[in-house]
Amino acid sequence: GAVVSQHPSWVICKSGTSVKIECRSLDFQATTMFWYRQFPKQSLMLMATSNEGSKATYEQGVEKDKFLINHASLTLSTLTVTSAHPEDSSFYICSAPDRVQMNTEAFFGQGTRLTVV
Amino acid sequence: AQTVTQSQPEMSVQEAETVTLSCTYDTSESNYYLFWYKQPPSRQMILVIRQEAYKQQNATENRFSVNFQKAAKSFSLKISDSQLGDTAMYFCAFMPSISNFGNEKLTFGTGTRLTIIP
Repeated sequence: GAVVSQHPSWVICKSGTSVKIECRSLDFQATTMFWYRQFPKQSLMLMATSNEGSKATYEQGVEKDKFLINHASLTLSTLTVTSAHPEDSSFYICSAPDRVQMNTEAFFGQGTRLTVV
Repeated sequence: AQTVTQSQPEMSVQEAETVTLSCTYDTSESNYYLFWYKQPPSRQMILVIRQEAYKQQNATENRFSVNFQKAAKSFSLKISDSQLGDTAMYFCAFMPSISNFGNEKLTFGTGTRLTIIP
């Protein structure tokens, strides 16, 4: 199957700083990527849909100014958590469909554990 | 909007036994896809099995099979001959028809933590 690589796997940052998380499709072009957030022992909640060359679409309740998404190429989407606070600590996961294969499987990155201290 | 419900937060079963995980969903869509994903301790999401709603035949993948009841909006996962490596969180997920690109977003249930006991 297709491979999605997410970096970094984990990051610790100080409150008030910004953190960038990268999501790359390694062997296919991803015009759309999805960003999910997972709190401890909870489910994955969709945060936003990242579209190559256009603005991201955010789910209700997600602050677009706090969670900046950039999808500047067909293989890379980035999520920047701006002015991070401890409540932003969570596990962030990206996924992308391989539309060339025209199947429904979503390929997930390994996830990023963010801890804000 | 779609909702996915998993009513079993935790389950455990002896190795080699069979276990069934429950999932119900609610949608007004007529075409959609249902999935079971496995999340082991590494937290990498792994697709276990997929079901197209327009197919009446239940999907199977080796030891994994589903019981898809469209009218009842039920989608359970059966794991046969369970193995220690099956220990993980299992999420049921819903995706609407992909007739429109950008619509492949998943709605997940709350998950079932499955433990296989040696």
